[in-house]
Amino acid sequence: EVQLVQSGAEVKKPGESLKISCKGSGYSFTNYWIGWVRQMPGKGLEWMGIIYPADSDTRYSPSFQGQVTISADKSISTAYLQWSSLKASDTAMYYCARRIDDSSGHNWFDPWGQGTLVTVSS
Amino acid sequence: SYELTQPPSVSVSPGQTARITCSGDALPKKYAYWYQQKPGQAPVVVIYKDTERPSGIPERFSGSSSGTTVTLTISGVQAEDEADYYCQSADSSDTYWLFGGGTKLTVL
Repeated sequence: EVQLVQSGAEVKKPGESLKISCKGSGYSFTNYWIGWVRQMPGKGLEWMGIIYPADSDTRYSPSFQGQVTISADKSISTAYLQWSSLKASDTAMYYCARRIDDSSGHNWFDPWGQGTLVTVSS
Repeated sequence: SYELTQPPSVSVSPGQTARITCSGDALPKKYAYWYQQKPGQAPVVVIYKDTERPSGIPERFSGSSSGTTVTLTISGVQAEDEADYYCQSADSSDTYWLFGGGTKLTVL
């Protein structure tokens, strides 16, 4: 079974750093892009960026460029999302998801991880 | 900036047909994808490439496309279909992905 398992909920203070993880299993981790999606409380989904674990090629949404860092360690089939200095506005649920690419280059997310809730509060 | 526009809410009675639309200027050239998100759960893809249904998704879910609008249709709505639904596509240059604002489907 293809699964993405994310790290647990985090409570942090403004200005602190954080790295959350997403571990893939049941498939060849290096052959699929992994994406990150933010969902602020009571709000919709926002695409943050993606990474190709085989070579760490990374693309960011313009809205998140410079705000977060996406990385991966293919030796342990794990992708990461990190912040160097959290803000209260980073409070949200964060999902990772595997990107499916068909032979024509069309792509979508399936499956998704269970989500990691990040709370930033003083 | 490019946007995908969905109605905030749609309400139907059980057994009726629900239609959720998503509009965007690039949709005539780009496929759309639909995700269902139930409360407290991660999203699940229910339609990909405008009209394709993944295995395991009930046949009552279907998708269509016409010009700048794509539509998710749920025929014979059941109580378990109550959820938020998001369309997703890419901008015309495939630079980035984006999601619509989401539609809350209420089963009366």
